[in-house]
Amino acid sequence: GENVEQHPSTLSVQEGDSAVIKCTYSDSASNYFPWYKQELGKRPQLIIDIRSNVGEKKDQRIAVTLNKTAKHFSLHITETQPEDSAVYFCAASKAGGGNKLTFGTGTQLKVEL
Amino acid sequence: DGGITQSPKYLFRKEGQNVTLSCEQNLNHDAMYWYRQDPGQGLRLIYYSQIVNDFQKGDIAEGYSVSREKKESFPLTVTSAQKNPTAFYLCASMGGEKLFFGSGTQLSVL
Repeated sequence: GENVEQHPSTLSVQEGDSAVIKCTYSDSASNYFPWYKQELGKRPQLIIDIRSNVGEKKDQRIAVTLNKTAKHFSLHITETQPEDSAVYFCAASKAGGGNKLTFGTGTQLKVEL
Repeated sequence: DGGITQSPKYLFRKEGQNVTLSCEQNLNHDAMYWYRQDPGQGLRLIYYSQIVNDFQKGDIAEGYSVSREKKESFPLTVTSAQKNPTAFYLCASMGGEKLFFGSGTQLSVL
């Protein structure tokens, strides 16, 4: 089955700096890669996603890049703010895979003032 | 708020006891999922159901059981066979490949 690895497990940045979280996946048939944000005590929520026919996608201060050849994808957050502090999860799934998402182990991002 | 309701928020299990976690959705989604969240281990899939009266095991199904008698409901039973049940349990439904999560149930062992 699919295996998703996520790094780093914790990340601390200064407010205004950029943050990058990286994930690799094992199944070359995976074609959908979402990112979820979970604030402390709250449910995970989708923040951005990308499909395998696209190399990059941006939404204001967040962007996701995908390298299908290397089987890795990354989340980029620019101009970080304290409200960006949360746990971020990457995930992967494939068409015909029963709509199952396989998640990474999460990255605890802390934005310091 | 979200359309996925989980109850209770906190649950305590005694040795040898089965407990059931409730999950209800009003989003009219066919697919529903149960994930277990442990610190440092991300979200691991327990069971999922793509349609009423059908469900499949996920990656860590041992010690758990589910039913899907109604589209809106997907309860999870943590049986006495699950020796390490302490975790945060998240229910979700899927609409257009996007997961919508409930607010979770924290299960602890007395």
